[in-house]
Amino acid sequence: AQTVTQSQPEMSVQEAETVTLSCTYDTSENNYYLFWYKQPPSRQMILVIRQEAYKQQNATENRFSVNFQKAAKSFSLKISDSQLGDTAMYFCAFMKRRSGGGADGLTFGKGTHLIIQP
Amino acid sequence: EPEVTQTPSHQVTQMGQEVILRCVPISNHLYFYWYRQILGQKVEFLVSFYNNEISEKSEIFDDQFSVERPDGSNFTLKIRSTKLEDSAMYFCASSTSGGWGVETQYFGPGTRLLVL
Repeated sequence: AQTVTQSQPEMSVQEAETVTLSCTYDTSENNYYLFWYKQPPSRQMILVIRQEAYKQQNATENRFSVNFQKAAKSFSLKISDSQLGDTAMYFCAFMKRRSGGGADGLTFGKGTHLIIQP
Repeated sequence: EPEVTQTPSHQVTQMGQEVILRCVPISNHLYFYWYRQILGQKVEFLVSFYNNEISEKSEIFDDQFSVERPDGSNFTLKIRSTKLEDSAMYFCASSTSGGWGVETQYFGPGTRLLVL
């Protein structure tokens, strides 16, 4: 079974600053996906960024980027030029990659509550 | 942009009653999922569904739960006899592939279930 650990229950930064959210995971799988989801106060789960484990290049999406360290089983999220709208819970999630049909669920961490201060 | 929809947004029920939560996945998606999130806790996987059958289920998904795709668009979660501890936000998600291709699960807005 996989586990995902987010060691920062809450973080607070000033608007326009850069912030990094940490995530570590434990798995015996070699092929998998990692995700960051954002959950604003509306509680909708919104995909922020995705990383395929077989890709060495770190994923980026505009102001969001990841630092994926496969050997260390670490997957941190960096938010540059943070904005008030980035205030939300951020969840790191793991999913193993299948070789055939069927589907596995995501394993989530407990989340980090990020507060962007004006 | 296509999105996953869920109804109702809120539901209040009495302990022991049956509830059905409904979801309309994104139209070209083939894999469907239910998750729950108890207030203040992490999101937990319940079940995945593909080709009209359950693909995977967690320990949470016991005999009280069932899923169904009654027609070409809806995907439902039924809780037969609700307990107080079933109070949670329930999320539906869908994806184009089940983990062997480019995989992203898109989530609906959730149904907030309160069992009294």
